[in-house]
Amino acid sequence: NAGVMQNPRHLVRRRGQEARLRCSPMKGHSHVYWYRQLPEEGLKFMVYLQKENIIDESGMPKERFSAEFPKEGPSILRIQQVVRGDSAAYFCASSYQGQGAGYTFGSGTRLTVV
Amino acid sequence: EDKVVQSPLSLVVHEGDTVTLNCSYEVTNFRSLLWYKQEKKAPTFLFMLTSSGIEKKSGRLSSILDKKELFSILNITATQTGDSAVYLCALAWEYGNKLVFGAGTILRVKS
Repeated sequence: NAGVMQNPRHLVRRRGQEARLRCSPMKGHSHVYWYRQLPEEGLKFMVYLQKENIIDESGMPKERFSAEFPKEGPSILRIQQVVRGDSAAYFCASSYQGQGAGYTFGSGTRLTVV
Repeated sequence: EDKVVQSPLSLVVHEGDTVTLNCSYEVTNFRSLLWYKQEKKAPTFLFMLTSSGIEKKSGRLSSILDKKELFSILNITATQTGDSAVYLCALAWEYGNKLVFGAGTILRVKS
């Protein structure tokens, strides 16, 4: 069991470009969560998805950010027209059922906007 | 905004010392409080606390929740350099599935 796989590990984008972050949940997990971690801050919830459904997107910025978890393939967090303030570590977690104790986190994608 | 506050922000100790990390919160309608250890990569799960006053133990680590005073502590005895990490506290809500994290405590154990 490979755990939660995130790629890329590091991503550098110029201002105005698009960033696509991928997350493959653990085998058998159908719940995916995205969190953002700014320097010296805790993880902030962004969005919770199940296959083909967004369940809770209360932490997503209103513009430029979107997430999906298609029937086949990884979950994608997409950031359009990136700005310097988007630079952060983005973590994905998955769970079998929607319970915090069952979360398994991926190693994160560190996005740097230059 | 719902708040989870961890203290101290950072801590430097020597190997063999005992440390106590604190997590206080300002909400009551949560299902459980969780502790995670984050080294350079993914946060790894340590404890889930649901009931007040019941200590959870795993090796040199232990944790307890006080729902009356709205805090939890994480104790690490006989610290080792491998304990150096950021320790995160999070609340899991009664309804819904997101976790709300504190900013973490950075622990550095010197040899």
